[in-house]
Amino acid sequence: GQNIDQPTEMTATEGAIVQINCTYQTSGFNGLFWYQQHAGEAPTFLSYNVLDGLEEKGRFSSFLSRSKGYSYLLLKELQMKDSASYLCAVKEAGNMLTFGGGTRLMVKP
Amino acid sequence: DAGVIQSPRHEVTEMGQEVTLRCKPISGHDYLFWYRQTMMRGLELLIYFNNNVPIDDSGMPEDRFSAKMPNASFSTLKIQPSEPRDSAVYFCASSLSLGQGDYEQYFGPGTRLTVT
Repeated sequence: GQNIDQPTEMTATEGAIVQINCTYQTSGFNGLFWYQQHAGEAPTFLSYNVLDGLEEKGRFSSFLSRSKGYSYLLLKELQMKDSASYLCAVKEAGNMLTFGGGTRLMVKP
Repeated sequence: DAGVIQSPRHEVTEMGQEVTLRCKPISGHDYLFWYRQTMMRGLELLIYFNNNVPIDDSGMPEDRFSAKMPNASFSTLKIQPSEPRDSAVYFCASSLSLGQGDYEQYFGPGTRLTVT
C-alpha cells in the first residue's frame, strides 16, 4: 500500500524560514511533487523532484532522498501570503499522484 | 488558455438526487483526473483517463459513482443516488503525457458539493 506522512499544522513568523517534511512508503516511485493550496482554492504546482538532491526555485526549495523515502519543502523569507496548505504527492505507476494529508502553514506577523 | 473549467462551482442537493459534475480540460492535455477532497480524507484520486479512456477507477468509492469522457474536451462525474457523505470538493485536473519526465497537473477551481 501507500503511506505519505506530513505534519498536520505548522506555525512560523514572517521573514523566517520553515521546513515542511514528508515521508513516504509507496509501492512505486517516479517522482515527488509539492503543491500549494490556499483555503477555498485549487492546488497549484510548486516543485518536482525525481533525483536525490535539492531543487531551488526562488524562495522555495525542495529536497529528496529516495533511499530514506524523505522529502522536504523549504520556504525562505516567509510572507503572509505563504499561509496555505502544502501537499506532498508521490507519482507512482502511470501518471497517478497519491497525496499526503497536507500541512497547514500559518504565517504570523 | 482558460485553464481547467469545472461546473457548477457549487451544488446543493437533497439525498437521493442525481448529481452531475462537469469538466473541460486544458486543450491538448491527454490526461484527465477526478479528485475528491474532504477534511477527513484529504485529496483522493477517484479516476483518471488517458486519451478519453479510463485507466484506473480503483478510487471510485461505490457503484453510485460513474465517470465518462466522451471526447477530449469534456468529462462528467455522476453520483446517483447522492448521499450526505458524498459532500466534498470535487476537483478535475489535466496534464500532458511526458513519459517519465516532470509534468504537472493543472487543477480546476473545484465543485463544492453539499448533499443534505
